[in-house]
This record gives sequence, C-alpha cells and structure tokens, in this order.
Amino acid sequence: GAVVSQHPSRVICKSGTSVKIECRSLDFQATTMFWYRQFPKQSLMLMATSNEGSKATYEQGVEKDKFLINHASLTLSTLTVTSAHPEDSSFYICSARDRTSPEAFFGQGTRLTVV
Amino acid sequence: GQNIDQPTEMTATEGAIVQINCTYQTSGFNGLFWYQQHAGEAPTFLSYNVLDGLEEKGRFSSFLSRSKGYSYLLLKELQMKDSASYLCARKDGDYKLSFGAGTTVTVRA
Repeated sequence: GAVVSQHPSRVICKSGTSVKIECRSLDFQATTMFWYRQFPKQSLMLMATSNEGSKATYEQGVEKDKFLINHASLTLSTLTVTSAHPEDSSFYICSARDRTSPEAFFGQGTRLTVV
Repeated sequence: GQNIDQPTEMTATEGAIVQINCTYQTSGFNGLFWYQQHAGEAPTFLSYNVLDGLEEKGRFSSFLSRSKGYSYLLLKELQMKDSASYLCARKDGDYKLSFGAGTTVTVRA
C-alpha cells in the first residue's frame, strides 16, 4: 500500500513556542491530506482538510490561526501549532488520499507534549 | 455529528470469535471503513464496505447494511496480537472520514 511518513514522531516543547509537524506521501501524489487530533482513549477528531495549492478547510471549533496548515506540494503538508499550551498536548495524525483509491493512508502520528 | 456508535470495550479468549457492531446515521453515507489501532500508533486499514453484504479477508470480515445504518467487524481465531482498538469510520461525500470512539478489544489467554 501507499506510504505516508510523518515527522517528528515525538516532540516536547515549552509553552508559548511553535511546533511544526510534517506529513509526506512517499510514493503517490496526495491532492488531499487530513489532520486529526486524538486525546487519550478518545477517537480521532478531524481538525482540517488540506488541499494542495489552496487554503485548508477547518472543522468547527478548530482555530485556524493557531493550527497553521500548509500544503505547498502534492507530497507535503505541514501543521504548525503556534503558541503551544499544555492543553494542546495530544497525538496528531495526518492521512493522505491517493485519488485512485477510496482508502486514506495514515502517517505514524506525532506525540506532542507541551510543558 | 455523525452519531457513530460502537461499544467501548470487549474481551474474548484466544481462538474465539468477536463481533464489533457499529451504527451510524445514513444521511450522506458514502462508505464504511474499519481500522485497527494499537496504543500510541496510527490506525491501519482493515476493510472498506460500500455495498451491502459481507467482505471476507482472512481472519477479518466486515458486514454492511446501508438501509439499517449498521456494520460489524468480525474477528475470527483471535490471537493475542489482535488486542487493540478498532475504529469504525464513516465516509461522507468524496473523502471525509468521521470516526467512532473506538472499541478496545482485549484478548486473553
């Protein structure tokens, strides 16, 4: 199957700083990428949908100025958590869709801890 | 929301069969996925149903009834490594996925 690489897998940052998470499709072109957040023992909550070359579509309740998404190429999308606070600590997961398949492929996830 | 409901936890013994049910709102439905997720890891794809009926893939099978807004994932010949969370996800429109809260399956020896 298709491979989606997410980096870093773990990051610890100080409160008030920004963190960038990268999501790459390694062997296919992903016109659409998705960013999810997952709190412990809860399901994945879609944060935003990212389309190459256009602005991301954010889900209700997600602050677009705090969670900056850039999808500059068909193989790379980035999520920047700006001015991070401890409540932003979570597991962030990206997924990407190959237009030829209904399935979305997930990255390995990023465990963010804000101290 | 999409009101995707699945049981929170299930326990079974090694070698047994477990069925995880999932119900969802039918409006706008465009397909049903099942994913497996081990703690601290990303979900991995198990199955995709878009038409009514049973899809069998090795020890795992998935069933869909579109009119009833119902699906189940059947795990046969359970192994210890099957202990994980199983996520039911509804596809809305072209590509958006809405996930259920997940069912934690514990396999005991």
